[in-house]
Amino acid sequence: DSGVTQTPKHLITATGQRVTLRCSPRSGDLSVYWYQQSLDQGLQFLIQYYNGEERAKGNILERFSAQQFPDLHSELNLSSLELGDSALYFCASSVNGRNYGYTFGSGTRLTVV
Amino acid sequence: GQQVMQIPQYQHVQEGEDFTTYCNSSTTLSNIQWYKQRPGGHPVFLIQLVKSGEVKKQKRLTFQFGEAKKNSSLHITATQTTDVGTYFCGPQAAGNKLTFGGGTRVLVKP
Repeated sequence: DSGVTQTPKHLITATGQRVTLRCSPRSGDLSVYWYQQSLDQGLQFLIQYYNGEERAKGNILERFSAQQFPDLHSELNLSSLELGDSALYFCASSVNGRNYGYTFGSGTRLTVV
Repeated sequence: GQQVMQIPQYQHVQEGEDFTTYCNSSTTLSNIQWYKQRPGGHPVFLIQLVKSGEVKKQKRLTFQFGEAKKNSSLHITATQTTDVGTYFCGPQAAGNKLTFGGGTRVLVKP
């Protein structure tokens, strides 16, 4: 257990639907990052939050949104899902930014059918 | 924008042999981190290098940061089947993105 909790672990949904992925960071970590990993591909950066505020943004689609709540957990919302959105979605956390190692959760595997 | 390139993309290694994977940047890096992702698993932080020319070892793994802080390497000696996985370097800021290298996927032949 890395200390970063992601739920659900698996999600199967139909095209056009909307899903919410949840992440609880490691205790004491203020930064949360979301990454997308398609089959056998690299880690595509989506977005970073630090202590509730958006800090950095990657190539996140307009259909996707995220937020970090006062208790520091984060949610990634994916809407109008397409087949190409099928991927592993990882959440990672760190103490206060990219100058410290990230702790990754075990991921949510999203399958859009 | 700044990108981190990893080579090779794939590395087939005979068990017991050594190999090296490289991480290259076109611009100076403030630091470099290495992660390992086992098949079906999540990335796990291995190490961070900060100083120019820094060398750190973890058992059979040797990590090096270039003198110009534009490249880094991971050298594994006496490869074992437990070394199978994808090794990522990063993350680095490229514009407003925190990118990882594309990874080196290591396959070990017994």
